[in-house]
Amino acid sequence: EAQVTQNPRYLITVTGKKLTVTCSQNMNHEYMSWYRQDPGLGLRQIYYSMNVEVTDKGDVPEGYKVSRKEKRNFPLILESPSPNQTSLYFCASSLNRGVYEQYFGPGTRLTVT
Amino acid sequence: DAKTTQPTSMDCAEGRAANLPCNHSTISGNEYVYWYRQIHSQGPQYIIHGLKNNETNEMASLIITEDRKSSTLILPHATLRDTAVYYCIVRVAWETSGSRLTFGEGTQLTVNP
Repeated sequence: EAQVTQNPRYLITVTGKKLTVTCSQNMNHEYMSWYRQDPGLGLRQIYYSMNVEVTDKGDVPEGYKVSRKEKRNFPLILESPSPNQTSLYFCASSLNRGVYEQYFGPGTRLTVT
Repeated sequence: DAKTTQPTSMDCAEGRAANLPCNHSTISGNEYVYWYRQIHSQGPQYIIHGLKNNETNEMASLIITEDRKSSTLILPHATLRDTAVYYCIVRVAWETSGSRLTFGEGTQLTVNP
């Protein structure tokens, strides 16, 4: 089954404790992206990757890092999480950059206390 | 990107067709109309897209007016599982930037038994 998986689905952590949210897709998609969704602010892009070893900032990259060492994986790293990063995070992928037919993961609900 | 306008909410009886309108009067010739939906706190789900011809897939039909200033998403036989927020998005394909998806307020569709 074609899908985007994220782990963990739920995470409660404390300020400053480094964490990684994994994202994996099995569709051989070139393009992957991370979004966060907050009430009243909608969906905002954090980082995106157009292919292996090619990443770029989205609209809200501060406090986040990403890497794309393999085509299927695109982890989101929070080196020193803060309470304002409490949010619902989605990973998405599509065939390539210009395609807006994007497939989303189930989401990761992160709470930073 | 062209701005879209959708009704805030709609109701539909189970088994009936749900017709969700979207106005995009400033759409330009190379912009596509995309529809996504999001069931509460789940990952957004791609439904369908089109440029100027009507489109149909296993989920829905998309009717775009001849002047392309509006469109209608049709769910032919709505079920309770179709209750979700539906987003209409207009995008140019092959943007040079991050292919970010930005959802507006969307239409909350409630399918009633």
